[in-house]
Amino acid sequence: AQKITQTQPGMFVQEKEAVTLDCTYDTSDPSYGLFWYKQPSSGEMIFLIYQGSYDQQNATEGRYSLNFQKARKSANLVISASQLGDSAMYFCAMRALSGGYNKLIFGAGTRLAVHP
Amino acid sequence: DSGVTQTPKHLITATGQRVTLRCSPRSGDLSVYWYQQSLDQGLQFLIQYYNGEERAKGNILERFSAQQFPDLHSELNLSSLELGDSALYFCASSPGRNTGELFFGEGSRLTVL
Repeated sequence: AQKITQTQPGMFVQEKEAVTLDCTYDTSDPSYGLFWYKQPSSGEMIFLIYQGSYDQQNATEGRYSLNFQKARKSANLVISASQLGDSAMYFCAMRALSGGYNKLIFGAGTRLAVHP
Repeated sequence: DSGVTQTPKHLITATGQRVTLRCSPRSGDLSVYWYQQSLDQGLQFLIQYYNGEERAKGNILERFSAQQFPDLHSELNLSSLELGDSALYFCASSPGRNTGELFFGEGSRLTVL
């Protein structure tokens, strides 16, 4: 069975500092994709970053980077130089790209608060 | 703006009633997904359609049904509503059947009184 685990219900960070949001996953499929989404208080789900299981390098998108450790089955999100606008819920998600799975499953989320 | 349009944005109704949520995917996207986000359950996958056909089913109740029309828009029908159905219902779309990120609409917030 596939599973995504986010063990941090809430995180605090000072503005301009970096923060790491943890995500571990479990799947028996050799091919899968890992995603991070941001959900601000307004409710919409915003795609941040994607990592494929066969990608050799860690994904980066601006201030977001994904620390992908395949052997440990972890896909942590690193936000550098935090901004007040980064305060939101962050969801880690996984999609298996084989075995007939078509759905994206989400972790429980981590609420990030950025303090000035 | 993700390009995915959901209507209505807010809906208040009573127990036992039936509602329909509508979703227009991004132009060119063939896959539509429905998710339910409630406070105690997180984001739960309900169902996926690809080019008009049901492709995957998640924790969707029998009281709920969905379909995708030839113009690729989708509707989620919720009937015999209960208090516990109060949630934010998201529609998402993606170009293919199995690949790529999902682009989410802004959600339809359903309140059942």
